[in-house]
Amino acid sequence: QQQVKQSPQSLIVQKGGISIINCAYENTAFDYFPWYQQFPGKGPALLIAIRPDVSEKKEGRFTISFNKSAKQFSLHIMDSQPGDSATYFCAASPNQGGKLIFGQGTELSVKP
Amino acid sequence: GAVVSQHPSWVICKSGTSVKIECRSLDFQATTMFWYRQFPKQSLMLMATSNEGSKATYEQGVEKDKFLINHASLTLSTLTVTSAHPEDSSFYICSALRDEQYFGPGTRLTVT
Repeated sequence: QQQVKQSPQSLIVQKGGISIINCAYENTAFDYFPWYQQFPGKGPALLIAIRPDVSEKKEGRFTISFNKSAKQFSLHIMDSQPGDSATYFCAASPNQGGKLIFGQGTELSVKP
Repeated sequence: GAVVSQHPSWVICKSGTSVKIECRSLDFQATTMFWYRQFPKQSLMLMATSNEGSKATYEQGVEKDKFLINHASLTLSTLTVTSAHPEDSSFYICSALRDEQYFGPGTRLTVT
């Protein structure tokens, strides 16, 4: 099964709050799990990525939590800011340079 | 580093004509590039994998005779949409592979 399921489809968070986006996968051959941020009319940009050998990775306000047994991973955005308003995509790949399978996307709106 | 450009950023063409989109890696060489299509409010769907000096590998359901891909050099891949129709109107995004995929800014194609 090649799908990556992402939820929620949309999310509204107050400034300073925590935004949480979840993804689930089926294929145990996936070994690389990146998150991308996309602004309207632009290409996606890599935010942060994780491999299954760690359960958490943090970069600034962005944290990925990874649950290998449940085949789930999530993105946490701490202290969310209006500038974080964008669409976020999770993805999965058999390796860092391989084909990416994208989730459906989450439209995040951070209210001032 | 790792900058990818696309040209044009926006193109309008008449139904039945062909249009070429360029993808360039500006500061690195890329043996492999990917082409994606994204419809409004939807995720990125991989169309094909482009390898320098060889034929592209198309994903299931993508018409190879309609979407011609040429990866003639280590910094340039082109996507030609032949005999375009209004249903081909979409946002086309390329990526170039170095240590990971680096995405271009996208090309908005409108077929009238």
